[in-house]
Amino acid sequence: EVVLTQSPGTLSLSLGERATLSCRASQNVDTGYLAWYQKKPGQAPRLLIYGTSYRASAIPDRFSGSGSGTEFTLTISRLEPEDFAVYYCQQYGRSLWTFGQGTKVEI
Amino acid sequence: EVQLVESGGRMEQPGRSLRLSCVGSGYSFDDFAMHWVRQFPGKGLEWVAGISWNSDKREYAESVKGRFTISRDNDKNSMSLQMDRLRPEDSALYYCVKDGPGGWFGGYFDRWGQGTLVTVSS
Repeated sequence: EVVLTQSPGTLSLSLGERATLSCRASQNVDTGYLAWYQKKPGQAPRLLIYGTSYRASAIPDRFSGSGSGTEFTLTISRLEPEDFAVYYCQQYGRSLWTFGQGTKVEI
Repeated sequence: EVQLVESGGRMEQPGRSLRLSCVGSGYSFDDFAMHWVRQFPGKGLEWVAGISWNSDKREYAESVKGRFTISRDNDKNSMSLQMDRLRPEDSALYYCVKDGPGGWFGGYFDRWGQGTLVTVSS
């Protein structure tokens, strides 16, 4: 099973700042199968990025994804009030889907 | 608009059974794989089970293999999760999730329901 480790656990930033979230895999992940989600309290998770770098429908372009192999990154270029949430990376491989433990982005 | 609506969550005793259901609308249900993903109280997300568009492929997390069974009925745009031999550690919010496009499984989850709460306690 591929284990995903996200860092940092919590990111404390201000409006307008840049957020860089890391996701490290215990084994190589196919770039076609790495995704990122945003989760707010009381809401279902929302797909942000799939295939490492493709923005999902209606996702603002301040969100971007990059990476390969075992190192992946989600970048939020300028934090807006609605971006404060928990972010999860997720991979698919060998008939198993796994999530990272999440990074909380807070003010 | 894609909608996924779960039902069936409730409190149940350890060792008993529970069946969750999900109905999808607003898209071609039988073109996509479907999954169940759960969120433990105050914690992260765990994929539980997935089923291909035609039910030929069913995959399970190790933590539920042999106890849970995923199924779907494309004529009714529905999916189910039969949960047997429940354990307290199965307590979670269970999400019905639509897979992205591509092959047997697209590899990511592009639409989520609002979830149904399962509590396993004596």
